[in-house]
Amino acid sequence: SYVLTQPPSVSVAPGKTARITCGGNNIGSKSVHWYQQKPGQAPVLVIYYDSDRPSGIPERFSGSNSGNTATLTISRVEAGDEADYYCQVWDSSSDHAVFGGGTQLTVL
Amino acid sequence: QITLKESGPTLVKPTQTLTLTCTFSGFSLSTSGVGVGWIRQPPGKALEWLALIYWNDDKRYSPSLKSRLTITKDTSKNQVVLTMTNMDPVDTATYYCALRGPAARRANNWFDPWGQGTLVTVSS
Repeated sequence: SYVLTQPPSVSVAPGKTARITCGGNNIGSKSVHWYQQKPGQAPVLVIYYDSDRPSGIPERFSGSNSGNTATLTISRVEAGDEADYYCQVWDSSSDHAVFGGGTQLTVL
Repeated sequence: QITLKESGPTLVKPTQTLTLTCTFSGFSLSTSGVGVGWIRQPPGKALEWLALIYWNDDKRYSPSLKSRLTITKDTSKNQVVLTMTNMDPVDTATYYCALRGPAARRANNWFDPWGQGTLVTVSS
């Protein structure tokens, strides 16, 4: 079964850049999607197809994917970005979705 | 505007069968390419994908839960139903339904938007 590994937590000062990683075996060959979940709310898609942003998502959110690591980058971090972030892929070999363990982003 | 909303019991007893309904609007499950999935999240824990049903009634299940899950659709009612048998306290979670994103290939499936979720507690 395919496994996605995320750091449990990332901390960043306001105005700085946060990078949240998602590790998986040859993840660069898959499409990675990212979700933001604030406390008590449902997840919201912030990046799909590795680096595409849905309408309404600020340009500060970007993504990349290569080798064994995908990265969600949040530039000029704001207090409102504080949330849990999850990566997700579709495992074609077994035809099911896989989520990472989530990363809690703390804005200092 | 696309919306999804989950409904079902808030409390079930161990060994019982859980039935959840996702009622949606703004799209049709008879349209080619459309799919609706279920994802759950135990309190304080990560998201876990459960199942997905496509417009053509093709279905996919989590390998670890496949024996306990059934997903069906009622296109006329704009509903998707998930049943999970033999419920256990570890199945206590918020259950979400979500629309499959318009990926050209199933290998790129993502979910957007999501319903608000419904908390199901399993306890005697």
